Amino acid sequence: AQSVTQPDIHITVSEGASLELRCNYSYGATPYLFWYVQSPGQGLQLLLKYFSGDTLVQGIKGFEAEFKRSQSSFNLRKPSVHWSDAAEYFCAVGSSGGSYIPTFGRGTSLIVHP
Amino acid sequence: KAGVTQTPRYLIKTRGQQVTLSCSPISGHRSVSWYQQTPGQGLQFLFEYFSETQRNKGNFPGRFSGRQFSNSRSEMNVSTLELGDSALYLCASSTGGEPYNEQFFGPGTRLTVL
Repeated sequence: AQSVTQPDIHITVSEGASLELRCNYSYGATPYLFWYVQSPGQGLQLLLKYFSGDTLVQGIKGFEAEFKRSQSSFNLRKPSVHWSDAAEYFCAVGSSGGSYIPTFGRGTSLIVHP
Repeated sequence: KAGVTQTPRYLIKTRGQQVTLSCSPISGHRSVSWYQQTPGQGLQFLFEYFSETQRNKGNFPGRFSGRQFSNSRSEMNVSTLELGDSALYLCASSTGGEPYNEQFFGPGTRLTVL
């Protein structure tokens, strides 16, 4: 069965600092990988996704993520964090064969200090 | 285009009752997925409907059911409510060509079971 681990429950950064949110997955083949952001009281918004090809993926709002097969990781990065980036971030994996059942990590809460 | 809408936004029920939640997808989207989000279990996939047929299903008991109408609107029903069903229920729609296509989430329905 596929699984997703986001090791950091909370991360605090200062505005303007760089950010890296970790995501590790378990899946037998190359999965579909996603990062979502959820602001309080709202649904999820897709930041970026990886299906195949270039392992460095660019997303919206200045985010990027790198797929590393050898490490089973798909970490999210942003060079300079803005106060409006404070939110909950979810990594998700979708199976690339058979029934499509997306699995989400438990989320990382990003706190941005001024 | 209008986004995904979910009604009602908030709902309070008592144990043993049943509840029906509604989701209207973005115009032109044919796939609707449902998710349950709780502090304890995180975000979990319930099921996905495409062209009025359930295409994928998560690991939830039969008390959780859904359907999709010809206009792509979807309803989710939970029978014999339990305290543990208290959650934020999210609906997401996509064009539906493939289940892993970008999903657009609604704001959710907050269900409280007393």
